[in-house]
Amino acid sequence: QVQLVQSGAEVKKPGASVKVSCKASGYTFTSYGISWVRQAPGQGLEWMGWISAYNGNTNYAQKLQGRVTMTTDTSTSTAYMELRSLRSDDTAVYYCAREGSSSWYENWGQGTLVTVSS
Amino acid sequence: NFMLTQPHSVSESPGKTVTISCTRSSGSIASNYVQWYQQRPGSSPTTVIYEDNQRPSGVPDRFSGSIDSSSNSASLTISGLKTEDEADYYCQSYDSSIRGVFGGGTKLTVL
Repeated sequence: QVQLVQSGAEVKKPGASVKVSCKASGYTFTSYGISWVRQAPGQGLEWMGWISAYNGNTNYAQKLQGRVTMTTDTSTSTAYMELRSLRSDDTAVYYCAREGSSSWYENWGQGTLVTVSS
Repeated sequence: NFMLTQPHSVSESPGKTVTISCTRSSGSIASNYVQWYQQRPGSSPTTVIYEDNQRPSGVPDRFSGSIDSSSNSASLTISGLKTEDEADYYCQSYDSSIRGVFGGGTKLTVL
């Protein structure tokens, strides 16, 4: 069965960077894209961006352009999301999701809580 | 970019039917598929409807999706409400320049 297993919770200071991993299994990694979605405490879902696991093409949310980088390692079927210059309003649960046709997020990781606090 | 607008909350009694709307601010709702996700507290979202009206395996046929071009909106309808349906529901779509747009979410209370 398809599984996306994310790295553990992180606590970071303002201005620092965080890199969250998402290890995929149960399907051909390069046949799908991976999207990243975050959810601030008590808030809704916010799409952050997408990366093709086939060729590394990316599409980022405009508000995060310049602060976010998404990458993949096809040798380990792992996707990464790095967010730099962290602020307190970046505190959120970060999810990776396997994106199928029609931009449908078919499978989701368990989420990674990133807390930004001085 | 466009926005998707959902009601903040809806409530209904067990056994009844509820409909949650999702209105697209610009561009045609019919131009790009709409998905619906259910999120229970403390859990990751799961899909209840994809490609406007398709149910993933395992999702009961009490859940249905539709689009209405006249109101430029999509709808999620849940019939025969059960207490287990109480959750947050999000619509999601995309266009040629941005692969992901979520609605603000609707809290469904089954009382």
